Amino acid sequence: NAGVMQNPRHLVRRRGQEARLRCSPMKGHSHVYWYRQLPEEGLKFMVYLQKENIIDESGMPKERFSAEFPKEGPSILRIQQVVRGDSAAYFCATSQTGANVLTFGAGSRLTVL
Amino acid sequence: TQLLEQSPQFLSIQEGENLTVYCNSSSVFSSLQWYRQEPGEGPVLLVTVVTGGEVKKLKRLTFQFGDARKDSSLHITAAQPGDTGLYLCAGGGYQKVTFGIGTKLQVIP
Repeated sequence: NAGVMQNPRHLVRRRGQEARLRCSPMKGHSHVYWYRQLPEEGLKFMVYLQKENIIDESGMPKERFSAEFPKEGPSILRIQQVVRGDSAAYFCATSQTGANVLTFGAGSRLTVL
Repeated sequence: TQLLEQSPQFLSIQEGENLTVYCNSSSVFSSLQWYRQEPGEGPVLLVTVVTGGEVKKLKRLTFQFGDARKDSSLHITAAQPGDTGLYLCAGGGYQKVTFGIGTKLQVIP
């Protein structure tokens, strides 16, 4: 069991392009959480998903950001028309039982030029 | 929104010293977690405290949950360079966990 796998680890995009970040949960984990981390702001909750359902997206920006966790395949965080302010580390965390016990991936670092 | 404040934000100490970092909130939490994050990696769970007044030990690390379940502390005895990292406290419920901004610890050999 390789743990929570995130890819790509590093992604560079120009303003206006799309960024797709993928997260494969640990085996047996059906809860997926996405967080964004900036040095001065800490880890900020974005969205919580279970298979094929968005449970809580209260931390997602209203525009350009979307997330999915399909029946088959990884969870995907999609950022359309990226802007420089989207540059950050994006972490996926998964859990078997809920948010109290989270296993994090190594993160995807997005740089927008 | 439940907020968690951590202090100090930065701490630089010599190897062998003891230290305590704090996590405080005005809200009551059903549980609090402590994570450690190293540069370029994701946070790793160290401990979960659930009961008010609970004390848990993990080798040289001692975690305490306040009686009112609003605050927690992490004490490290005889710090080592391998303890260097960002220490995050987190709390919340089943669906969403809120993180503090963290204490960045540097242990100098």
